[in-house]
Amino acid sequence: GAGVSQSPRYKVAKRGQDVALRCDPISGHVSLFWYQQALGQGPEFLTYFQNEAQLDKSGLPSDRFFAERPEGSVSTLKIQRTQQEDSAVYLCASSLATGGHYEQYFGPGTRLTVT
Amino acid sequence: GQNIDQPTEMTATEGAIVQINCTYQTSGFNGLFWYQQHAGEAPTFLSYNVLDGLEEKGRFSSFLSRSKGYSYLLLKELQMKDSASYLCAVGGAGSYQLTFGKGTKLSVIP
Repeated sequence: GAGVSQSPRYKVAKRGQDVALRCDPISGHVSLFWYQQALGQGPEFLTYFQNEAQLDKSGLPSDRFFAERPEGSVSTLKIQRTQQEDSAVYLCASSLATGGHYEQYFGPGTRLTVT
Repeated sequence: GQNIDQPTEMTATEGAIVQINCTYQTSGFNGLFWYQQHAGEAPTFLSYNVLDGLEEKGRFSSFLSRSKGYSYLLLKELQMKDSASYLCAVGGAGSYQLTFGKGTKLSVIP
């Protein structure tokens, strides 16, 4: 069965460039999460969608980060004017429902390197 | 806020048992998750505890004590493929987001 997919898997950007990272969640999953994972660290929460509504964006590190999920399925995380500190793996996860006890299924991540 | 601590690295022998501890201090609690993450891959779900006690699932077991803010993951009959990072994550009360620890890198040696 199809799991969570993300594209691209790897992205190299020059400092100052804009990037867009895509997430295709598991079909029918209501909840979608974005996390940032630095090398040797655990994932850190960025933002949460319930269907198309972005209910929490408290983890976005700056206003250069923007996420959307316009039709309640595919989501895009956009980073404007990338900086070196943005280099990390960006993980997307989806969950069947909205309760906190529901398992989150993770995609393989996009490894972003800003040079 | 949330604070989650787990050892950075552990080494164990193939066929043995290993226990990975996790302590947490949270402003709310809605369950504790363990995830396994192989290098360069996505985290995959292992277990979920919301009540005190032991949950067993094959070679993997997870324990929770809410009063102590403590959990452990027990891996039995270790196999080489168990070499991975193990992430402890806590769900906050009324919250859907998970707060992860930094992960414990387990190396299984012959």
